[in-house]
Amino acid sequence: SQELEQSPQSLIVQEGKNLTINCTSSKTLYGLYWYKQKYGEGLIFLMMLQKGGEEKSHEKITAKLDEKKQQSSLHITASQPSHAGIYLCGADGAGGTSYGKLTFGQGTILTVHP
Amino acid sequence: SQTIHQWPATLVQPVGSPLSLECTVEGTSNPNLYWYRQAAGRGLQLLFYSVGIGQISSEVPQNLSASRPQDRQFILSSKKLLLSDSGFYLCAWSMRDHQPQHFGDGTRLSIL
Repeated sequence: SQELEQSPQSLIVQEGKNLTINCTSSKTLYGLYWYKQKYGEGLIFLMMLQKGGEEKSHEKITAKLDEKKQQSSLHITASQPSHAGIYLCGADGAGGTSYGKLTFGQGTILTVHP
Repeated sequence: SQTIHQWPATLVQPVGSPLSLECTVEGTSNPNLYWYRQAAGRGLQLLFYSVGIGQISSEVPQNLSASRPQDRQFILSSKKLLLSDSGFYLCAWSMRDHQPQHFGDGTRLSIL
């Protein structure tokens, strides 16, 4: 089965600093999904990457998928307290029919100090 | 636009009592539906998924069951809750394979 490893497990930064969260797969990914979660709430979909070398941005958050499709990074520029939360990567590791099932990493807890 | 509703938001139940959590999706038809549990370690464990009415697949053996009586309704149940059933339960939907899943707000279940 596919496994996803996220690093770091937790991250504390000062407001305005840049940061990067990594997600590494044990197998080639079909699709990689990034989510954000506030404690005690549901997951909010951020971005989906499917092509090797693909890069997407939304506001100050940029996600990349490497050419081999086994590693993704999430980069936040000029972090703000509103960026705080848990970031999870999810992977759709199989081509063909997967019924949309995703495997998730353990999450990265981000704290942003004002 | 599509929305997903999950209730209740919190639930405290005694050991051995039954459970019923509901999830409904609006604004779409024939979605894939999912139930996850998120333990304190933060990872999400897929419990059940459904690709159509009455079609339920279980990912892990457990004390829980799921049903899909209507196209956009997904129910998580148990006849007798165990202490180990405590956790944060999340319902999600997706339109088809290889598309993002969209999550409800979750139910915090505490077993006493």
